[in-house]
Amino acid sequence: SQQGEEDPQALSIQEGENATMNCSYKTSINNLQWYRQNSGRGLVHLILIRSNEREKHSGRLRVTLDTSKKSSSLLITASRAADTASYFCATDAERGAGGYQKVTFGIGTKLQVIP
Amino acid sequence: EAQVTQNPRYLITVTGKKLTVTCSQNMNHEYMSWYRQDPGLGLRQIYYSMNVEVTDKGDVPEGYKVSRKEKRNFPLILESPSPNQTSLYFCASSPFWGNTEAFFGQGTRLTVV
Repeated sequence: SQQGEEDPQALSIQEGENATMNCSYKTSINNLQWYRQNSGRGLVHLILIRSNEREKHSGRLRVTLDTSKKSSSLLITASRAADTASYFCATDAERGAGGYQKVTFGIGTKLQVIP
Repeated sequence: EAQVTQNPRYLITVTGKKLTVTCSQNMNHEYMSWYRQDPGLGLRQIYYSMNVEVTDKGDVPEGYKVSRKEKRNFPLILESPSPNQTSLYFCASSPFWGNTEAFFGQGTRLTVV
């Protein structure tokens, strides 16, 4: 299975509620990132958290990282209909055939915020 | 404006007809990569490039070729497309290799019939 697996795969909430998405990975990482994708569009970077950081904030976003559990969570507070999108985590643990570090994305969590 | 530009945005082609999807970035980034996105499978990396003339296979390189002759361009070549390459393709670039913020193109929706 892929490095960086998001959970749940789909989430539906009411506007104003908080949304929490989780990402698990298998081997050591240097950084973990979260991205957002509106339907069929390119991914947009949200936040990067380094392996020596435990929590990071950006506006209504809060990301935590637990390296002992190899997991991260993305919390969106006071959600809005405009937050409806898919959210992906990306990790850098794997290396390609040539030994170079590569970035691996998970399958994503599809968030629907109902007005 | 800093951006990653892919062309074309949409393409319908026939099996076996060679095609190239272009990708260009204007941010002087060293690292570039190609992904395909399929329902239920998320983004899977096809190839990536650490810098000019340095490329490496991703998770699903079969049936694809790339080249990096200039820093700004990273074209994806399908020598003999097949229907299982029907997908949504994204090019991305980052300042340098490693897990840093990536900038994505708008995507190319390819259909092979």
